[in-house]
Amino acid sequence: QQQVKQSPQSLIVQKGGISIINCAYENTAFDYFPWYQQFPGKGPALLIAIRPDVSEKKEGRFTISFNKSAKQFSLHIMDSQPGDSATYFCAATLQGAQKLVFGQGTRLTINP
Amino acid sequence: DVKVTQSSRYLVKRTGEKVFLECVQDMDHENMFWYRQDPGLGLRLIYFSYDVKMKEKGDIPEGYSVSREKKERFSLILESASTNQTSMYLCASSLYGGGGEAFFGQGTRLTVV
Repeated sequence: QQQVKQSPQSLIVQKGGISIINCAYENTAFDYFPWYQQFPGKGPALLIAIRPDVSEKKEGRFTISFNKSAKQFSLHIMDSQPGDSATYFCAATLQGAQKLVFGQGTRLTINP
Repeated sequence: DVKVTQSSRYLVKRTGEKVFLECVQDMDHENMFWYRQDPGLGLRLIYFSYDVKMKEKGDIPEGYSVSREKKERFSLILESASTNQTSMYLCASSLYGGGGEAFFGQGTRLTVV
């Protein structure tokens, strides 16, 4: 129930295309869903996050879509650029809890 | 600029050695975490601490212990290193009740031979 399942494990997209990474969770008490971006040799950093009271959140080229009934959320990267090549992690947490549960990660490669 | 600093980027240790990984944060955060990162397994929580001298086990605490004597410092200890503890170790911190955003260090790549 504490798991977050992420797919795909790796993804290759052409420059200018749309990158889509999906996550699913079981625990309906989760109330905060962030995405982290990690470049090689660096620690993960918060990219964008959503709470379950909205179905979509957009920041620049990055959008989170949230489907509460299906218990799924996804990250969309529009007009993908080579600089977006990184590992992406979805995560979830419970209100009042102090720790995040992470997905397995997706290694995204944007070909020029 | 917020900062979480891990003492080593790369470490090579021998099987059976006692290993200390150190982490310091300068944001006055209550929560500190140690994660382990392995390909295909994501980030798995080893231990976390929400206050000085307080600690709680995460999902994979076996073979590890932690110490938090000061608010800004959180140490991960491998009592007797084994080859299956070869991994990337990430330290993170967050505000207590801060909504979930965690700030990560750059990671320590530990190799046990």
